[in-house]
Amino acid sequence: GQQLNQSPQSMFIQEGEDVSMNCTSSSIFNTWLWYKQDPGEGPVLLIALYKAGELTSNGRLTAQFGITRKDSFLNISASIPSDVGIYFCAGRSNSGGYQKVTFGTGTKLQVIP
Amino acid sequence: DTAVSQTPKYLVTQMGNDKSIKCEQNLGHDTMYWYKQDSKKFLKIMFSYNNKELIINETVPNRFSPKSPDKAHLNLHINSLELGDSAVYFCASSPVGLTASEKLFFGSGTQLSVL
Repeated sequence: GQQLNQSPQSMFIQEGEDVSMNCTSSSIFNTWLWYKQDPGEGPVLLIALYKAGELTSNGRLTAQFGITRKDSFLNISASIPSDVGIYFCAGRSNSGGYQKVTFGTGTKLQVIP
Repeated sequence: DTAVSQTPKYLVTQMGNDKSIKCEQNLGHDTMYWYKQDSKKFLKIMFSYNNKELIINETVPNRFSPKSPDKAHLNLHINSLELGDSAVYFCASSPVGLTASEKLFFGSGTQLSVL
């Protein structure tokens, strides 16, 4: 089946630092997504990318859809304590005529004030 | 006001029991899902329903039976619970349409502990 591997698995950073995480896949996806999960909650969509090479920003977050369509990265600039959480990449593909979203392994982010 | 609500939030039960988790969405979405998140936080899709019809079933043991009485509800019944079923189960919904189905709205999860 499809596998999405994220790196790093976890990271500790100082408040104010920039963060970068990426996601690679064994399969091609037609849409790449980035979600954030706060403790005790479900994931929330941050950014959606629809085209190979696309670079999209959402406030301090920037994500890119890799040219090969098998990878994506997410950058967070000037991190703040509320950025703490687990970040998931996800890819959307066609499954029997319906769209299916497959999640990556997650990157756990800790921000030290 | 909660968009996707699932109950209960916590469920502790003995091995071999049968239990159900309920999910309701008030977003008017046609598609609903169940995801399982294991102890390593890996999120895996289990089922997807579109307007009460099963469209995705990801090799889940048949002890798990989803039921969708209407498009706003998708319940999950689990028979003969096993230790390995311990996980957080998330319900989600999404609008229909090629460019919208990735906009998954998740519930806050049900933490199932099987003893």
